[in-house]
Amino acid sequence: GAGVSQSPSNKVTEKGKDVELRCDPISGHTALYWYRQSLGQGLEFLIYFQGNSAPDKSGLPSDRFSAERTGGSVSTLTIQRTQQEDSAVYLCASSPGQGRYEQYFGPGTRLTVT
Amino acid sequence: QQPVQSPQAVILREGEDAVINCSSSKALYSVHWYRQKHGEAPVFLMILLKGGEQKGHDKISASFNEKKQQSSLYLTASQLSYSGTYFCGTEKPQAGTALIFGKGTTLSVSS
Repeated sequence: GAGVSQSPSNKVTEKGKDVELRCDPISGHTALYWYRQSLGQGLEFLIYFQGNSAPDKSGLPSDRFSAERTGGSVSTLTIQRTQQEDSAVYLCASSPGQGRYEQYFGPGTRLTVT
Repeated sequence: QQPVQSPQAVILREGEDAVINCSSSKALYSVHWYRQKHGEAPVFLMILLKGGEQKGHDKISASFNEKKQQSSLYLTASQLSYSGTYFCGTEKPQAGTALIFGKGTTLSVSS
């Protein structure tokens, strides 16, 4: 079946502009995660959605970052007033829930802030 | 809270074995292992949900020592396809299944 998809695959934006990154999780997966990976670095947790529960936003680095998940499916990560330090690969993952915790990652969106 | 992985890098020839360790200063409830090849997304390898659990996947296996708050990933008779960066992830406290990942161990296998 289809895996996790993300769009766009690449995004170049000017400092100060807003960007939206989209994630389509695997159909039926109840949990959705956003991570960030800077060049040569590990994976940094950003935000986590589980079903209809309030999201865990504790990993968001600043109030310029926000995310929503509509209808328990598609998620959008929004970065306002982008800064150069926001440049990274943003990865989305989903997991089935119901006792299954493995995470399936999308290909990521490479964000470059100039 | 971030788990510590060791070593940072491993260089092997085909057929050699390697062990990657993941340890935490906090209690571990589960440990996930993922492999990421250059330019690709991380791929799930296995999850260990309780102390003493061991799992295997082809010639890659893992153990979880809950008391020692550590997990080890064993790669036996390594193949070229094993090259990549291996990450362990531990559950972020009170955040369901969101993970805190280690910084990764880069494995390079040559012929």
